[in-house]
Amino acid sequence: AQSVSQHNHHVILSEAASLELGCNYSYGGTVNLFWYVQYPGQHLQLLLKYFSGDPLVKGIKGFEAEFIKSKFSFNLRKPSVQWSDTAEYFCAVNPNTGGFKTIFGAGTRLFVKA
Amino acid sequence: DTGVSQDPRHKITKRGQNVTFRCDPISEHNRLYWYRQTLGQGPEFLTYFQNEAQLEKSRLLSDRFSAERPKGSFSTLEIQRTEQGDSAMYLCASSLGLQGGLGEQYFGPGTRLTVT
Repeated sequence: AQSVSQHNHHVILSEAASLELGCNYSYGGTVNLFWYVQYPGQHLQLLLKYFSGDPLVKGIKGFEAEFIKSKFSFNLRKPSVQWSDTAEYFCAVNPNTGGFKTIFGAGTRLFVKA
Repeated sequence: DTGVSQDPRHKITKRGQNVTFRCDPISEHNRLYWYRQTLGQGPEFLTYFQNEAQLEKSRLLSDRFSAERPKGSFSTLEIQRTEQGDSAMYLCASSLGLQGGLGEQYFGPGTRLTVT
């Protein structure tokens, strides 16, 4: 079955530390990839997406993600986190088979200490 | 743009009762999705509409669950004979369908269902 794995369920960082959140998926075909973020008390919102082209994707608030097809990975990075990045981050995959089912990972809770 | 809205935000019901949730998508969005999210998990896809047509359903959507989008605008999700395992956050999302593309999904605040 298709699945998405996020390596860390909880991450605690100090401000200005670098962030990398891992995401791996199990699907051998073409995929559309997403990172969503949910700030405390807010709705899920899109952080960035990859459909095709440059595998290094830049999103909002200084986040970026790199699609490595050979590793079935789409890791999220930010060089220097801020306290306001405290949130839950979800990796999501849509197998590009013409359907619209999106499969989400279990999420990673990030807490940034001021 | 008022965003995706869901009603009610919270619902407590006794086991065996029926419940219905409503989702109002962003007005120009033709695509609508329902997800279920339990504690410690990401959203699980339930079903998808393009306009009024229900095009995809998850195997998670048992015959106690039914979803409609009668005029291609708002949608309802009904759960009949609720069970304690139905307790979860039910999320609705909408998107503007791009030709051949997935489109960014905008999520609502969710309806939290508690079955006692």
